[in-house]
Amino acid sequence: EPEVTQTPSHQVTQMGQEVILRCVPISNHLYFYWYRQILGQKVEFLVSFYNNEISEKSEIFDDQFSVERPDGSNFTLKIRSTKLEDSAMYFCASIGLAGAQASTDTQYFGPGTRLTVL
Amino acid sequence: AQKITQTQPGMFVQEKEAVTLDCTYDTSDPSYGLFWYKQPSSGEMIFLIYQGSYDQQNATEGRYSLNFQKARKSANLVISASQLGDSAMYFCAMSDIFGSSNTGKLIFGQGTTLQVKP
Repeated sequence: EPEVTQTPSHQVTQMGQEVILRCVPISNHLYFYWYRQILGQKVEFLVSFYNNEISEKSEIFDDQFSVERPDGSNFTLKIRSTKLEDSAMYFCASIGLAGAQASTDTQYFGPGTRLTVL
Repeated sequence: AQKITQTQPGMFVQEKEAVTLDCTYDTSDPSYGLFWYKQPSSGEMIFLIYQGSYDQQNATEGRYSLNFQKARKSANLVISASQLGDSAMYFCAMSDIFGSSNTGKLIFGQGTTLQVKP
């Protein structure tokens, strides 16, 4: 069964450093998402990406964050200068588009990358 | 704006019994999707069940069923014949429909921790 993969599973970094979190969505999916979950809290939407551009972003997704799909398979989230409060689990998700029934599509999540900022 | 509310931070259920996890939502969109995800202690997000706002019948997936009451704006998850492996955090989520301005992002509730007792 196709699945979303994410690497690394755990990333430890120093405050102020840049990190890149990588995701490989399911191959025939067209919409991609990043979510964040601070330990013990709910999952929060960060950004959605379609047709090689950001389609929506949340207030959390400030200028320190960027996304790209460099090669048609990988989907990356970059945090330019990490802060302590960026420590969280980051999930990538993707959807296949089913025409007019797109809202019925289920977002499949990757296993997550746990980011720890020291 | 869309909002999901899960009022039960923690629930206990005896093995083999049924349990209902509550979820209420608020939206002004006429069309939307409602989802339940399971998050075990390992951290991944596992899709359980989906309900579309125009679906006439309540969704069912094996031991999971969704008690959808549109007028009350509730989408409760019912787990029948609970198993020890059902112990996890459960999240209710809502998506908007795909359109010119909607991107299908998921808005999550705070989650309910379910513990199944032997």
